[in-house]
Amino acid sequence: NAGVTQTPKFQVLKTGQSMTLQCAQDMNHNSMYWYRQDPGMGLRLIYYSASEGTTDKGEVPNGYNVSRLNKREFSLRLESAAPSQTSVYFCASRGQRNTGELFFGEGSRLTVL
Amino acid sequence: AQRVTQPEKLLSVFKGAPVELKCNYSYSGSPELFWYVQYSRQRLQLLLRHISRESIKGFTADLNKGETSFHLKKPFAQEEDSAMYYCALFTGGGNKLTFGTGTQLKVEL
Repeated sequence: NAGVTQTPKFQVLKTGQSMTLQCAQDMNHNSMYWYRQDPGMGLRLIYYSASEGTTDKGEVPNGYNVSRLNKREFSLRLESAAPSQTSVYFCASRGQRNTGELFFGEGSRLTVL
Repeated sequence: AQRVTQPEKLLSVFKGAPVELKCNYSYSGSPELFWYVQYSRQRLQLLLRHISRESIKGFTADLNKGETSFHLKKPFAQEEDSAMYYCALFTGGGNKLTFGTGTQLKVEL
């Protein structure tokens, strides 16, 4: 039982390049989230998906797009990467009950040069 | 809008000393509050939630609605408690978990 799996773990991009961060969960959870973690800023919500087929903006959505491919997978895409998007990205999922317990992936460290 | 404030970026204590990590929130509804912890090179994980009123690894946290606080406490710090701690507020209607900026706890020998 892997929980939440993110790929890649590390990535270096040049300004203007695009890439997709992949996330999959095997817990049959409805809700999935993408956060970014920056020093002194904590975790900030980028996008979330309450259920398959729906996505909503979080606190810092600019520069990102998401796809909820199916119940298991939720991807985050950077169409034209900028240095300000250098960060650690976390995917998380939430269980069936109406509770705030999230299960996190290991994180993806992205550097944009 | 909901907001979580953790005033200390870094808290350094000696082993065996009491620990208190501060968390204040603003939310007009009925809050559900959590503490998450991230140990070095590990993923973020749930430490405790206010609803369960439990003690995990010696940590407790009490929700004070009058002061809108949810401070995390431990009477005697251990070296293995060194980690980043995040307070978080869940708003069910919004289906979102809002995190504070985090407090790095360093327990020194």
